[in-house]
Amino acid sequence: GQSLEQPSEVTAVEGAIVQINCTYQTSGFYGLSWYQQHDGGAPTFLSYNGLDGLEETGRFSSFLSRSDSYGYLLLQELQMKDSASYFCAVRPSWGKLQFGAGTQVVVTP
Amino acid sequence: GAVVSQHPSWVICKSGTSVKIECRSLDFQATTMFWYRQFPKQSLMLMATSNEGSKATYEQGVEKDKFLINHASLTLSTLTVTSAHPEDSSFYICSARVRGLYEQYFGPGTRLTVT
Repeated sequence: GQSLEQPSEVTAVEGAIVQINCTYQTSGFYGLSWYQQHDGGAPTFLSYNGLDGLEETGRFSSFLSRSDSYGYLLLQELQMKDSASYFCAVRPSWGKLQFGAGTQVVVTP
Repeated sequence: GAVVSQHPSWVICKSGTSVKIECRSLDFQATTMFWYRQFPKQSLMLMATSNEGSKATYEQGVEKDKFLINHASLTLSTLTVTSAHPEDSSFYICSARVRGLYEQYFGPGTRLTVT
């Protein structure tokens, strides 16, 4: 079967660094993406890793290790507006996305 | 660019009635559109994939006669929930993809409540 595991919730203070891990098991793999979703809103694309290594986009970075079926999203210099759900999503086949259960990030003052 | 809209943003309907949700790509042509359902505090579950001009492909466990999908043009796909029941109450989100590109652009979602 196919599955993705990520923590359900993470709490951190403003200015801190948070790492959200994602492990996956899929029959096919075309890369790992990360999405942010605020309550009641649409998912917005954050990053994509097709190859092993680190991708950096501003305060957010994402890492992939295909041999370990593992990736993470790193949120630096946390801001209150970063409070949201973060989903990892694998591409099990061309064009499709399969989402993890999501990690609720709570940023406190 | 890459804006996807959905209409309505929320709808309340009585049990047994049908509801149509529209998904439009505003500034690009979407060869493929996806329909997801999301229950509170849960993940997005893919319901079906629709390609312009052809029949939708439904994921396992999704009733195609209950969730009718039409992708009549490169900018519009519709999802009709037929004979809605309270358990169909959910957040329905569409996304659109351009031919040859992988990334999906998501609409703002439609909150459906069936009473």
